[in-house]
Amino acid sequence: GQNIDQPTEMTATEGAIVQINCTYQTSGFNGLFWYQQHAGEAPTFLSYNVLDGLEEKGRFSSFLSRSKGYSYLLLKELQMKDSASYLCAVRDMDSNYQLIWGAGTKLIIKP
Amino acid sequence: GAVVSQHPSRVICKSGTSVKIECRSLDFQATTMFWYRQFPKQSLMLMATSNEGSKATYEQGVEKDKFLINHASLTLSTLTVTSAHPEDSSFYICSARSPGFDFEAFFGQGTRLTVV
Repeated sequence: GQNIDQPTEMTATEGAIVQINCTYQTSGFNGLFWYQQHAGEAPTFLSYNVLDGLEEKGRFSSFLSRSKGYSYLLLKELQMKDSASYLCAVRDMDSNYQLIWGAGTKLIIKP
Repeated sequence: GAVVSQHPSRVICKSGTSVKIECRSLDFQATTMFWYRQFPKQSLMLMATSNEGSKATYEQGVEKDKFLINHASLTLSTLTVTSAHPEDSSFYICSARSPGFDFEAFFGQGTRLTVV
């Protein structure tokens, strides 16, 4: 079956670094995506990993290990505006290339 | 980047009435659009895949006669919630695949539907 797990909520301090983990089980893995969603708004695309390794984009980096079914999103130099939910999604070839979504991790940034 | 516009952003309707939500791709042609529903503190649930010029593909458990999807042009898909009930109150979001992105990179602003 398909399953995506990520922590429900995390708290971090402004200026610090936080790592949000995502583990997945899918039969036809074809890429992993991270999105940011502020309350009451639609998701915005952050990153995409299809090969193992680290993808860096400014303050945000995303890592993938396909053999472990594991990814993380790393946020550096945290700002108050980073308070949001972070959604992990996996594209599944066996589901017509649809995105299978995790429940999201609510990140709370404290001063 | 590509822009997807969704309208209205908020709507309140009476139980039993119908509501139409529009999703437009403003600067690209989208042959495929996706409609999601999201309940509070829950993740996105795909309702249906909207294909231009053909019937939508609905996910299991989604009533196609209740959630009518029309994708009549390459830039517009509509979702009509028919005979709405309070349990249909939710956040509805559309997304599209644009040229160069073979995944749902761009989302509409979302529509907060409240049925009273």
